[in-house]
Amino acid sequence: ETGVTQTPRHLVMGMTNKKSLKCEQHLGHNAMYWYKQSAKKPLELMFVYSLEERVENNSVPSRFSPECPNSSHLFLHLHTLQPEDSALYLCASSRMRDNSPLHFGNGTRLTVT
Amino acid sequence: GQQLNQSPQSMFIQEGEDVSMNCTSSSIFNTWLWYKQDPGEGPVLLIALYKAGELTSNGRLTAQFGITRKDSFLNISASIPSDVGIYFCAGVHGSSNTGKLIFGQGTTLQVKP
Repeated sequence: ETGVTQTPRHLVMGMTNKKSLKCEQHLGHNAMYWYKQSAKKPLELMFVYSLEERVENNSVPSRFSPECPNSSHLFLHLHTLQPEDSALYLCASSRMRDNSPLHFGNGTRLTVT
Repeated sequence: GQQLNQSPQSMFIQEGEDVSMNCTSSSIFNTWLWYKQDPGEGPVLLIALYKAGELTSNGRLTAQFGITRKDSFLNISASIPSDVGIYFCAGVHGSSNTGKLIFGQGTTLQVKP
């Protein structure tokens, strides 16, 4: 068990669908993150939440909509995605303010058809 | 923007051999982290470095925070088949309080038994 749990592990969706990715952390951390991992590219930071407040949004298209209802849960709502959005979406958590390392979940493998 | 150059991109070695990989940047980093990612899983933290010149070991793994604060290396001694995976370096620039990690592109390691 990683301490950061992501569901679903795999998701196939059409471009007109709406779906949500879920992340839950059991580590007592107060910051949560969404990363996108595409083949042959570095991990791309999408969103950062600190104490449930969004503190970073890295120019992510509006078809990705994050939600952080509390410090243990993070969602990524998806709608009208494009095939190039197919990737591994990784959630991570950490303590804030002391450069503490990120702890990652196992990701959701998303395929947009 | 800030970038990390990680090399080599891939390695194919014989079991028992030692491995070395490194990351360099044109910017100064305050934290260096090394992660390993197995297929179908999220990155797992191997070693965290917080001070220039710091040398830290974790079993057969050894990593160093370069004295210029612009580079780091990871060594794996006496490689075994389970060392197979993708190794990522990551750095935190400045005193970021959003935990903004910048990742290298990864080194794919294959070990021949």
